Amino acid sequence: GQQVQQSPASLVLQEGENAELQCNFSTSLNSMQWFYQRPGGSLVSLFYNPSGTKHSGRLTSTTVIKERRSSLHISSSQTTDSGTYLCAASSGSWQLIFGSGTQLTVMP
Amino acid sequence: ETAVFQTPNYHVTQVGNEVSFNCKQTLGHDTMYWYKQDSKKLLKIMFSYNNKQLIVNETVPRRFSPQSSDKAHLNLRIKSVEPEDSAVYLCASSTRDINQDTQYFGPGTRLLVL
Repeated sequence: GQQVQQSPASLVLQEGENAELQCNFSTSLNSMQWFYQRPGGSLVSLFYNPSGTKHSGRLTSTTVIKERRSSLHISSSQTTDSGTYLCAASSGSWQLIFGSGTQLTVMP
Repeated sequence: ETAVFQTPNYHVTQVGNEVSFNCKQTLGHDTMYWYKQDSKKLLKIMFSYNNKQLIVNETVPRRFSPQSSDKAHLNLRIKSVEPEDSAVYLCASSTRDINQDTQYFGPGTRLLVL
């Protein structure tokens, strides 16, 4: 079936440490996207990254289509990075399948 | 300001009542979506709608129905709420093809059914 598996489920870091979040997706899915969900609930798009590597500030997303995986790297984490990170891949032209999320906590 | 707006932020109701949630996007997008996020934070698509086509996730109960007056608005109506409907409902929009662009989300509406 169509699946998006995310790991780890939760991650606790000390401020300044780096984080690596992983997402694996089944062969019927493509067009990987990464979102950040604030504690209050709103979702913010971080990357639309169907393949290759993209950078945005301290964030880097790398998608390797052949290996059906995508990663999100956060360098020099800050307390304000705390929240839920979600990956999603599209199925056809209308449906996004979401992973179960990684709950990141950055301690001061 | 261009964004996706949702009202209300929070709604508490009793089993059997009807509720309606509003969503408006000012991004000029052609397609809008409704998602349900359960207590385990799992997001699942409910509907996708553009000017011409409504696509329904077959797992969505019939008491849920989308309502659209134009491409900038997509409301969600629940005819007779049940306890398992308690969740956060997220509205999103995108250009026509999500294989070419990301989706933009509203802040969500949290529903509590007593």
